[in-house]
Amino acid sequence: DIVLTQSPALAVSLGQRATISCRASQSVSISRYNLMHWYQQKPGQQPKLLIYRASNLASGIPARFSGSGSGTDFTLTINPVQADDIATYYCQQSRESPPYTFGAGTKLELK
Amino acid sequence: QVTLKESGPGMLQPSKTLSLTCSFSGFSLSTSGMVVSWIRQPSGKSLEWLAAIDWDGDKYYNPSLKSRLTVSKDTSNTQVFLKITSVDIADTATYYCARSSGIRVPFDYWGQGVMVTVSS
Repeated sequence: DIVLTQSPALAVSLGQRATISCRASQSVSISRYNLMHWYQQKPGQQPKLLIYRASNLASGIPARFSGSGSGTDFTLTINPVQADDIATYYCQQSRESPPYTFGAGTKLELK
Repeated sequence: QVTLKESGPGMLQPSKTLSLTCSFSGFSLSTSGMVVSWIRQPSGKSLEWLAAIDWDGDKYYNPSLKSRLTVSKDTSNTQVFLKITSVDIADTATYYCARSSGIRVPFDYWGQGVMVTVSS
């Protein structure tokens, strides 16, 4: 299985930039497609798709969210961070299926 | 408007079989490419993909759990089911169903989840 590694937590001030990383144990890219996706999950809610294929904004997601990366290293950036962005963020790969795998999640906290 | 909703027993005893239903609307599982997956999340932990069934009836399982899982769909293509045999405490989790429009495509719609507790 492809293992995705995320830092457990990140503290950030409102209005600042948050950078959340995800490293895969092997490449999740096929040709020009980077099969890494990002989700936001707030307590008691289901995950919500933010970014698909590394850098594409999902429908209805604010432009302060962006994604980048290829191969094994990926980044989700939130700039500027707003109070509503306090949540846990998960990366997920679909390069290998089955199984799809998720990272352990990064909890975004206020400094 | 795409919606999915999970239903299940809430609580069951170890060694029993867990049966879950995902009822959805706003799309048809008979549409080419559509996939419905089951994903679970123990409290305070990350997400684990369990199984999926696609528009053509092809089934996909997490190899680590494959021997205990059965995914199926109804003939009207508006419900997907998951059975997990021989449950134990480690199967206590919130179970989600989620839609994707292909096998290597992200999950764009999720149900609200159903909590299942395995306890004697």
